[in-house]
Amino acid sequence: ETGVTQTPRHLVMGMTNKKSLKCEQHLGHNAMYWYKQSAKKPLELMFVYNFKEQTENNSVPSRFSPECPNSSHLFLHLHTLQPEDSALYLCASSQVSGRKQPYNEQFFGPGTRLTVL
Amino acid sequence: QQPVQSPQAVILREGEDAVINCSSSKALYSVHWYRQKHGEAPVFLMILLKGGEQKGHEKISASFNEKKQQSSLYLTASQLSYSGTYFCGTERGSGAGSYQLTFGKGTKLSVIP
Repeated sequence: ETGVTQTPRHLVMGMTNKKSLKCEQHLGHNAMYWYKQSAKKPLELMFVYNFKEQTENNSVPSRFSPECPNSSHLFLHLHTLQPEDSALYLCASSQVSGRKQPYNEQFFGPGTRLTVL
Repeated sequence: QQPVQSPQAVILREGEDAVINCSSSKALYSVHWYRQKHGEAPVFLMILLKGGEQKGHEKISASFNEKKQQSSLYLTASQLSYSGTYFCGTERGSGAGSYQLTFGKGTKLSVIP
């Protein structure tokens, strides 16, 4: 596997289900991100992890719970979602340093198309 | 606050040129450009830092006007493979590198034979 992989690629779930999205990066990066992409809306940053520590949580509802067990893996745990949460969820990674880092090229995975019934 | 992209959509014939603009009302540290084809992940094109730096990538180049807080993406002699949605992502701040990008709504570019 190369780059950033995401599983599953498609997921249909009911509002009472619990599911998890998985992201794995094979690039040796130390930062990982979760984005939400809805139709006709811009990419929305949900969570950022630098060096396995969550550094950003952009007012995301608690029904979304991220987990970063190591620098290569990122999960998004889902429970009691709403139909409006249906979207494409994209994972990305980049290499950042502790100092001023001008370049933050992000590599995206193919995404998980989530449908909440 | 998300940056504003214009135009929202553009149709080109092969070989024609196009300009996509990205504007922000906030001071920017950097501007990132990505292209996303239908059903695929966004792909990185280039990053521009404040200072009016201009970068190029084959026949795609971009500029960053720090005073206007605006970046422009220039596509010259467009090819069919250029079709897709172009997003700009802006990074605010004083240059500490927040690693947090705010994306515009995208510009859908269609290149036809």
